[in-house]
Amino acid sequence: GDSVTQMEGPVTLSEEAFLTINCTYTATGYPSLFWYVQYPGEGLQLLLKATKADDKGSNKGFEATYRKETTSFHLEKGSVQVSDSAVYFCALLNAGKSTFGDGTTLTVKP
Amino acid sequence: DGGITQSPKYLFRKEGQNVTLSCEQNLNHDAMYWYRQDPGQGLRLIYYSQIVNDFQKGDIAEGYSVSREKKESFPLTVTSAQKNPTAFYLCASSIASGGGNEQFFGPGTRLTVL
Repeated sequence: GDSVTQMEGPVTLSEEAFLTINCTYTATGYPSLFWYVQYPGEGLQLLLKATKADDKGSNKGFEATYRKETTSFHLEKGSVQVSDSAVYFCALLNAGKSTFGDGTTLTVKP
Repeated sequence: DGGITQSPKYLFRKEGQNVTLSCEQNLNHDAMYWYRQDPGQGLRLIYYSQIVNDFQKGDIAEGYSVSREKKESFPLTVTSAQKNPTAFYLCASSIASGGGNEQFFGPGTRLTVL
């Protein structure tokens, strides 16, 4: 079946540092890929998405590019803020069924 | 305001009791989902429904049941057969189940079995 693998956390960065959270996937067909963010005690919110190969999703300074050749969808941000501290989930949607990674906890220190 | 609501936010249950978690959406979405989240882990799919009066088992359906009698409602029953029900439960919906449509999540229900 489909699977999503995220880099293990937790990740701790200083404010204004560069962020990369790796995500790779295994799926048949042509899945859509997503990054969601979860703040403590809340549900998930969509951060960005890409629906086909070479698409780049972007939002709030975060970016991720759908790389079919490496089956990856790494999340990047050039300069993180304290308010970016949260848990980030990589996910795919394939034939109506969604699969999520285990999440990566990001803590940004001032 | 459009969105997804889940109730209650916190729920306590004695062992051996069934309990039903509510999920309602007013987004006119066709697809709805239930996930379980355990501490430090990702989301695991329990059940999903692509259309009214139809639903499919996800990866961990044992000990759970659902119904989809109305488009806006997708209640989840945690039965006494579920061996370890204490978890955070998230409901989500999307316009349709395919085509790159993102899911919108409710705020979650934290279930604790005493």
